[in-house]
Amino acid sequence: GAVVSQHPSWVICKSGTSVKIECRSLDFQATTMFWYRQFPKKSLMLMATSNEGSKATYEQGVEKDKFLINHASLTLSTLTVTSAHPEDSSFYICSARDHSFSGANVLTFGAGSRLTVL
Amino acid sequence: AQRVTQPEKLLSVFKGAPVELKCNYSYSGSPELFWYVQYSRQRLQLLLRHISRESIKGFTADLNKGETSFHLKKPFAQEEDSAMYYCALGDYGQNFVFGPGTRLSVLP
Repeated sequence: GAVVSQHPSWVICKSGTSVKIECRSLDFQATTMFWYRQFPKKSLMLMATSNEGSKATYEQGVEKDKFLINHASLTLSTLTVTSAHPEDSSFYICSARDHSFSGANVLTFGAGSRLTVL
Repeated sequence: AQRVTQPEKLLSVFKGAPVELKCNYSYSGSPELFWYVQYSRQRLQLLLRHISRESIKGFTADLNKGETSFHLKKPFAQEEDSAMYYCALGDYGQNFVFGPGTRLSVLP
């Protein structure tokens, strides 16, 4: 089945530095990928929709200059947390839409990346 | 605008008891409904989708357009069913909305 690989699975960084998280679709092409943030024991919060070859669509309240998203190919989207601060510490999850399913609405999720900003 | 509600944050049942996780949605068109599950320390994964009309791990869900509901049911809960369950709605376009989730705890 479809697999989404997310890297790194965890990262610790100093305040003020930038961190890049990669999301790759394996064995399928994903024109659309989604980035979520998940707080402990909370639901998923959609941050942005990443579209291959065009600008990402950010949800209200998400700073696009803070969370840079690049979707340069059909199998790779990256999320860069710029000038990270401790409040950015969270679990970031990506998902990709696998169009091989009829209805084209099934999302396959990455395992998530835990970011800790010191 | 699309919206998905799951009224229960936490649902605890005993092993062998029936379980129903509620999901209601609001959408003006014909949505596609899903249930996703997240077991402890695992990634989110698709449990079932309404167009498949199948039973997965003993779970079923029927789309009730009149009541705009897509409740998840299982007649006899097992301990390994303990997980976080998310109801989700897709509109066949770019939009995909998740509910707040319900944590199911199956007690021995």
